[in-house]
Amino acid sequence: DTGVSQDPRHKITKRGQNVTFRCDPISEHNRLYWYRQTLGQGPEFLTYFQNEAQLEKSRLLSDRFSAERPKGSFSTLEIQRTEQGDSAMYLCASSPKRGGQETQYFGPGTRLLVL
Amino acid sequence: QQQVKQSPQSLIVQKGGISIINCAYENTAFDYFPWYQQFPGKGPALLIAIRPDVSEKKEGRFTISFNKSAKQFSLHIMDSQPGDSATYFCAASGKTSGSRLTFGEGTQLTVNP
Repeated sequence: DTGVSQDPRHKITKRGQNVTFRCDPISEHNRLYWYRQTLGQGPEFLTYFQNEAQLEKSRLLSDRFSAERPKGSFSTLEIQRTEQGDSAMYLCASSPKRGGQETQYFGPGTRLLVL
Repeated sequence: QQQVKQSPQSLIVQKGGISIINCAYENTAFDYFPWYQQFPGKGPALLIAIRPDVSEKKEGRFTISFNKSAKQFSLHIMDSQPGDSATYFCAASGKTSGSRLTFGEGTQLTVNP
């Protein structure tokens, strides 16, 4: 069990560019969550998957954001036409399929800076 | 409204002292209350969690106290150590909301040696 991993750890981009982040959950965890955290705030829920199905999206997830989990394992979060307000830490978490469904284990995050 | 309010925003404690962080929630559908610890540049790490069927849970130096009627819960860190200096977040979730976590605003804890 190597924990949740995220790539890249840091990303600097210019306004208007597209960026894509990857999350690899803990093996056999069937739920995968994306959160966004701005400086000095708690993480805010964006979306989550159960296996490959995207079950819920927050209203924070504008049309410029899209997430996928094609084979029910890793997930990607893409932001199109980035804006300076997208600058934040993007966190991924996963939770196990049996018992403790609510226990979410977080990755180290991807810090995005939009110039 | 799904909201979790956390206080204080910052806390300074002497080594060996007790750190107490409080949270209050509004949504009675919440049925799982974890606390996370976060160091700068890192993701949140689960510390301890409680369900509303118990009033207290202790793991090592960390204790959660839960008051269902008041819709409040708190984290107590006994014998606080400088290594405990971090930001602490309370959170809440419920099966009706897909188990997504709603976080408090965070408490920045500093433990002086």
